Amino acid sequence: AQSVTQLGSHVSVSEGALVLLRCNYSSSVPPYLFWYVQYPNQGLQLLLKYTSAATLVKGINGFEAEFKKSETSFHLTKPSAHMSDAAEYFCAVSDRSNDYKLSFGAGTTVTVRA
Amino acid sequence: GAGVSQSPSNKVTEKGKDVELRCDPISGHTALYWYRQSLGQGLEFLIYFQGNSAPDKSGLPSDRFSAERTGGSVSTLTIQRTQQEDSAVYLCASSLGVGNEQFFGPGTRLTVL
Repeated sequence: AQSVTQLGSHVSVSEGALVLLRCNYSSSVPPYLFWYVQYPNQGLQLLLKYTSAATLVKGINGFEAEFKKSETSFHLTKPSAHMSDAAEYFCAVSDRSNDYKLSFGAGTTVTVRA
Repeated sequence: GAGVSQSPSNKVTEKGKDVELRCDPISGHTALYWYRQSLGQGLEFLIYFQGNSAPDKSGLPSDRFSAERTGGSVSTLTIQRTQQEDSAVYLCASSLGVGNEQFFGPGTRLTVL
């Protein structure tokens, strides 16, 4: 069975500062990894995904994440935070052993200070 | 439609009543998933349909929950005899097939009084 741990339920950053959201996964087979963003009262929007191609994945809105198998990590970064980045972020894992159903982390809420 | 749609967007019901939540997936998507998002449990998988195969119901929390998918398209999630702990946002997602990107609808917020 796969699982995801997101370190830190709440992250506060200054506008223009680095955004770093941590995600560690557990999977018995090669995983697919995802980051989703959820704005208030909206559904989930895919930011980026790793599906066994390049380990550095670039997504929308300037976000990127690096798959590190040795560390079982898939941390999300953005060099310079914007006010519009304030939202909740979810890391998720899926694999073929489970028909690629998504298992989500608990989420990290990002606030951006002016 | 352009994306996954869900209805109603909000539902308030009394404890013990039955509710039906609807999901319209993206046209042509063969896989359809239901997830639940609640304060205490986070985001959790409920049920999954793939084509004409029997659905994977392994995530349904009790036998009060059921879902069907008619004609390989629209899906309805039914909760019978609702309880206060059923209060949550119910999210539907669809994908081209197993292993493909899942696209999420806006969710239905269910409140059980």
